[in-house]
Amino acid sequence: DAGVIQSPRHEVTEMGQEVTLRCKPISGHDYLFWYRQTMMRGLELLIYFNNNVPIDDSGMPEDRFSAKMPNASFSTLKIQPSEPRDSAVYFCASSSGLAPSYEQYFGPGTRLTVT
Amino acid sequence: AQTVTQSQPEMSVQEAETVTLSCTYDTSENNYYLFWYKQPPSRQMILVIRQEAYKQQNATENRFSVNFQKAAKSFSLKISDSQLGDTAMYFCAFRERAYSGAGSYQLTFGKGTKLSVIP
Repeated sequence: DAGVIQSPRHEVTEMGQEVTLRCKPISGHDYLFWYRQTMMRGLELLIYFNNNVPIDDSGMPEDRFSAKMPNASFSTLKIQPSEPRDSAVYFCASSSGLAPSYEQYFGPGTRLTVT
Repeated sequence: AQTVTQSQPEMSVQEAETVTLSCTYDTSENNYYLFWYKQPPSRQMILVIRQEAYKQQNATENRFSVNFQKAAKSFSLKISDSQLGDTAMYFCAFRERAYSGAGSYQLTFGKGTKLSVIP
């Protein structure tokens, strides 16, 4: 398996523009997570899905952020409009179901820079 | 809410030596999991080792071992025979144990310790 795939690896955009980050989880994993990593706040969970359904989006910073999972193999995180404070590395992770010994497998991340 | 604290922002160790990274956490849960993740310059987050709170025996994975002190809520990582490839950020993480249903699969991370292995 290729692991969790994220695209793009790097994104530079201007303030006010729309940004879409993409994730393909590991096949067969029922859970998908979006994290944001910044120097100030470390790694924060933004939202997670179970079987394509958003379960907890309490970590989404504000209405400018939205996430979707239209099918089991694809998820997007969208920021509209983007702001400089959104600059961070965004990670997608996936895991198998309810087994206690689950592991979250992380993608390589997307480094977002908003100027 | 759970919190995870890593009090050492940066550490360094000579190649082949042993180093210990500290982690403390705060929770009211009795059953949970603790993890150490490694993030090398490639940014990929890699699981190094995990510990289940109900197990008294400390987990080990080759050169990596933990010292889990449940009463003290401490979970340190020991790296023996340090290698240049161990240079990375190391994150301690906590997850409560879900008994049934969707539960909570959130990982709560510390802010990380940057480890440099010196040749």
